[in-house]
Order: sequence, then structure tokens, then C-alpha cells
Amino acid sequence: SQQGEEDPQALSIQEGENATMNCSYKTSINNLQWYRQNSGRGLVHLILIRSNEREKHSGRLRVTLDTSKKSSSLLITASRAADTASYFCARGTGGGNKLTFGTGTQLKVEL
Amino acid sequence: GAVVSQHPSWVICKSGTSVKIECRSLDFQATTMFWYRQFPKQSLMLMATSNEGSKATYEQGVEKDKFLINHASLTLSTLTVTSAHPEDSSFYICSARDRVINTGELFFGEGSRLTVL
Repeated sequence: SQQGEEDPQALSIQEGENATMNCSYKTSINNLQWYRQNSGRGLVHLILIRSNEREKHSGRLRVTLDTSKKSSSLLITASRAADTASYFCARGTGGGNKLTFGTGTQLKVEL
Repeated sequence: GAVVSQHPSWVICKSGTSVKIECRSLDFQATTMFWYRQFPKQSLMLMATSNEGSKATYEQGVEKDKFLINHASLTLSTLTVTSAHPEDSSFYICSARDRVINTGELFFGEGSRLTVL
């Protein structure tokens, strides 16, 4: 499959805990992006990490990229109930014009 | 931030009819827009890349005569599902890239849920 594989498929945690989602891919990339989708809604861009970067932070989000292992991880620290959503990684290829989405992780943060 | 408006948000139609979905970039220009299809609890599958002023580029396995794409201006792309059948029922999402501030990020519409009876 050309899609990225994400794991876990589903994750349920308590509010305040950290959530880690992983993404693996098979082909080379220009960048890797993470998006969030609330049920039945569009996607919201969270963070972009370029192929020559190893780590990036944005608020409570931390993304790492290991191009040698063709994998990335998204860490959400101090999770909140409002973080409940599906999270997708997306590979940017072809000059960055095309995004191929992974299978997604459904995160549920319980009070 | 950049806003993409997608309309209608949901539509129910009879089998055999055609349905048009619009995707507008409200505060930026987009020479390229993308149309995705998403089944319940699954990932987004790229259907086609819509290019302003030229023909769309379809992904393998997507029927171009079934899913007509028109990108007539820098702010509007339309997807028409022709002669819709129940198997076309799905969530269709468009996205656009800002042609001026091209960070690689895509801005998504809120999606259109199509139900074909």
C-alpha cells in the first residue's frame, strides 16, 4: 500500500496523560504532516516537518521524524477531552504538491 | 487563517441523478485543489488534483467521466458526481493550497456527505 500505516488504530487515555501516535511509510518524502479530524468534519493542519528535520514542537504537540526508519511520531502532552479526534499523518511527495494520508489513529480522551 | 468553504455539507439524491459539490477558497488563491473521498472510519483517498485553467489529474482507478472536475477560477473548484449510484455514497472533502504562501500545508473544506438512495 502507498498509504502510511499508523498505530495504534485506536487509543483511549485519561485526561492529563500523554498520547503518542506513530506513522510509518514506504517511499521517500519531501515532508510529513499531521492533521486532525473531528468526526464528520474536515481536516485541520497541525504540524509539518520537513525531511531534513528531526523534531518539531508546536504548543502541546511534538513531532519526530526518522527518515532512516521511515517513521514519524506525534506526541500530545497533557491531553484534554477536546483532543478527542482522529489524527492522520500525510506524506508530502512530488515536489510537495501531493499528500498521501495514513490510516489514522482514533484518539479518545476521557475525563 | 485560510478558509475553504465546501457546499453543500450534505446531500441526498436519487440514483441516476447528478450532484455538484463546490469548493471555494475564501481568502486566498489556489491554483491547485484536491478532492478526496473518505469512507466511514477510514483514511482519505485522493481522487484527483484540480488545476486552475486546465484538466484535472485523476488518480488510478477513478473514473473521470463519473467524477467531473472543473476549476474555472483561482478560488473555485467543483466536483460533479454524474449518474450517482448508492456505491457513490461517501464523504467527499476538498482541500486547497495557497499559491502565494505555499508552505506545503493544505487547507480543508468541511466535507460533503453524499447519500444516494
